[in-house]
Amino acid sequence: KQEVTQIPAALSVPEGENLVLNCSFTDSAIYNLQWFRQDPGKGLTSLLLIQSSQREQTSGRLNASLDKSSGRSTLYIAASQPGDSATYLCAVSGNTPLVFGKGTRLSVIA
Amino acid sequence: GAGVSQTPSNKVTEKGKYVELRCDPISGHTALYWYRQSLGQGPEFLIYFQGTGAADDSGLPNDRFFAVRPEGSVSTLKIQRTERGDSAVYLCASSSWTGSNTGELFFGEGSRLTVL
Repeated sequence: KQEVTQIPAALSVPEGENLVLNCSFTDSAIYNLQWFRQDPGKGLTSLLLIQSSQREQTSGRLNASLDKSSGRSTLYIAASQPGDSATYLCAVSGNTPLVFGKGTRLSVIA
Repeated sequence: GAGVSQTPSNKVTEKGKYVELRCDPISGHTALYWYRQSLGQGPEFLIYFQGTGAADDSGLPNDRFFAVRPEGSVSTLKIQRTERGDSAVYLCASSSWTGSNTGELFFGEGSRLTVL
């Protein structure tokens, strides 16, 4: 059974810092990995999708990497802003539909 | 529509009552997913439709939960004899991909269910 773990559970950083969120999964037989953002009381917004054949994806200040063999992904956020404050969720798709981690709650302090 | 639409956004009901939650996916998306999210947890898979048929319902917790998608577009999640433990946010997502690879999922804002 696929299990997804996200570390840290919560993170607080001053504005302008670069930061890394970590995601690990137990079954490396995945089709893709997605990173989502969730604001309080809201649904999920897709940030990046990495296919299993890819190593990384970039969108603006966000860069996600995937190391399928070791079961890890990282989300790198450059020059963090207060508007980046949210919960970031990692999810993997394999023989079952998307399996989510519990998320990392990020606070960027002005 | 422009995005995935879910109604109602909030539903408060009493224990033992019947509840229906509706999801209107992005136009043209063939795949539709239901997830449930409890406070402080990641979304938990319930059921997945490809077209009109349930391709995977392994996440439904028990037979009080049922979902339909009769015309391959709008879906309704039905919960009978609600219990306090059913309280959660029910999220719907859709995708244009077919086959096992889910592709990119687009989520609605969710329906917050509170069972008193």
